[in-house]
Amino acid sequence: ILNVEQSPQSLHVQEGDSTNFTCSFPSSNFYALHWYRWETAKSPEALFVMTLNGDEKKKGRISATLNTKEGYSYLYIKGSQPEDSATYLCACFTNAGKSTFGDGTTLTVKP
Amino acid sequence: NAGVTQTPKFRVLKTGQSMTLLCAQDMNHEYMYWYRQDPGMGLRLIHYSVGEGTTAKGEVPDGYNVSRLKKQNFLLGLESAAPSQTSVYFCASRDSSYEQYFGPGTRLTVT
Repeated sequence: ILNVEQSPQSLHVQEGDSTNFTCSFPSSNFYALHWYRWETAKSPEALFVMTLNGDEKKKGRISATLNTKEGYSYLYIKGSQPEDSATYLCACFTNAGKSTFGDGTTLTVKP
Repeated sequence: NAGVTQTPKFRVLKTGQSMTLLCAQDMNHEYMYWYRQDPGMGLRLIHYSVGEGTTAKGEVPDGYNVSRLKKQNFLLGLESAAPSQTSVYFCASRDSSYEQYFGPGTRLTVT
């Protein structure tokens, strides 16, 4: 079983601030890491799928990096907006298809 | 193209009753997952399937059974419901290299 940990648990920032959060995981038996954005009363939506050490992915103001050797991934949001307020989940997958989610980082962006 | 659908959306059960949750996907995905989401926690994997006719245990499988007789459907059964199974249940599907697509969730209350 992969032990996936996310930090911080919650984060409050002002509109326009840039922020980042961490997902850490055991580097053994790693196959892929996913980042999801989850709004209250909705289903999680995928942001990034990352597999290779050193991967960097970007979608608009949001980007992510992956270090499989040391077992961590960072999610960055540049110039946070109120609509970025959500819970951000990371999930690790083994090559057998099994997934483990972290408990998420809840971001609140104040106007 | 409906994506991932879940039936029912809401259900109230009495302790000891049984029920089956249905997940259906029309994207021809190989992998399907059942998760539960409880307050303050992320998604915990109940069971998963890597293809038609296969199932495997996740992190919290006790009290649940699953079947994947057809590629497009993944059924989650509760044999004898308990109050501890009150939760929101999410189904998801994916292809091997891509992100998961989630259903809208089923809110189950066991009294």
